[in-house]
Amino acid sequence: EILLTQSPAVLSLSPGERATLYCRASQDIGKFLAWFQHKPGQPPRLLIYDTVRRPNGVPARFTGGGSGTDFTLTISSLESEDFAVYYCQQRSHWPPLTFGGGTRVEIK
Amino acid sequence: QVHLVESGGGVVQPGGSLRLSCVASGFNFNVFDMHWVRQAPGKGLEWVAFIKYDGSLEKYDPFVRGRFTISRDNSNNILYLQMDDLRTDDTALYFCVKDFGGQITMVLPESWGQGTLVSVSS
Repeated sequence: EILLTQSPAVLSLSPGERATLYCRASQDIGKFLAWFQHKPGQPPRLLIYDTVRRPNGVPARFTGGGSGTDFTLTISSLESEDFAVYYCQQRSHWPPLTFGGGTRVEIK
Repeated sequence: QVHLVESGGGVVQPGGSLRLSCVASGFNFNVFDMHWVRQAPGKGLEWVAFIKYDGSLEKYDPFVRGRFTISRDNSNNILYLQMDDLRTDDTALYFCVKDFGGQITMVLPESWGQGTLVSVSS
C-alpha cells in the first residue's frame, strides 16, 4: 500500500498570501497524484489530477507540481473561499487508492 | 450537471448489515466507473470500493474486502454498497463518487455526493 504523507498538518496564512502544500509518497507513483479541496458540510472537490492538470472550472491560482515521490500544491494568492482541508491522493498502485492525511489551511 | 444522492445510512449494531444506495443523474451513468469513499468522524478520506461501468470488475480496500460488496443497476442509474459484519470502526460518512474517466479506466474519483452517515454502535 502506498502511504502519502502531507505537510504541514496546519497552515496559517492571510488572504492574498501564497500557500504551498506538500505530499510525499512512500514509493514512486510517477505523475499519478491528485489534490482535493474539502470544506465542512460540502463534498470534496477535485482540484488537480496527474500532478499538474486542472479540471474545467478550477481557478488558475491552483497549480500542482512534482513527480515520483514528492509533490506540491500551490495556491498563488489565497482567497477567502480557499480556506479548507486539502488532500492528496494516488492512483498509481491500487487497490487500494490512498489519500494523505490532509493539510488544513486556516486564516491567520 | 452531475447529481449523486446517497441513502440507506443509519445506526446499526456491530455484526449487523446495511445497504447503501446512490441515485445518479445528470450524466450517462452506464459509461462511468464508480467508487465509494468514506470519512470517519474527525478523520481523513478513505477509499472503500470501485466498480467498472459495466460491473465487470470490482476492487476493495483490504479493510472491507469480504464484508462489503459494491454493485450497480445501470437500468435505473443506481450504485449500491452492501455492508455486512459491520464493525465500530466502519462508522463514517459514506460518499458515492463518479470516476473521471468514461469507458477509459482512470480510477480517479471526480464528482462526489453529499454522503450518508453510517454509525455502528452497541
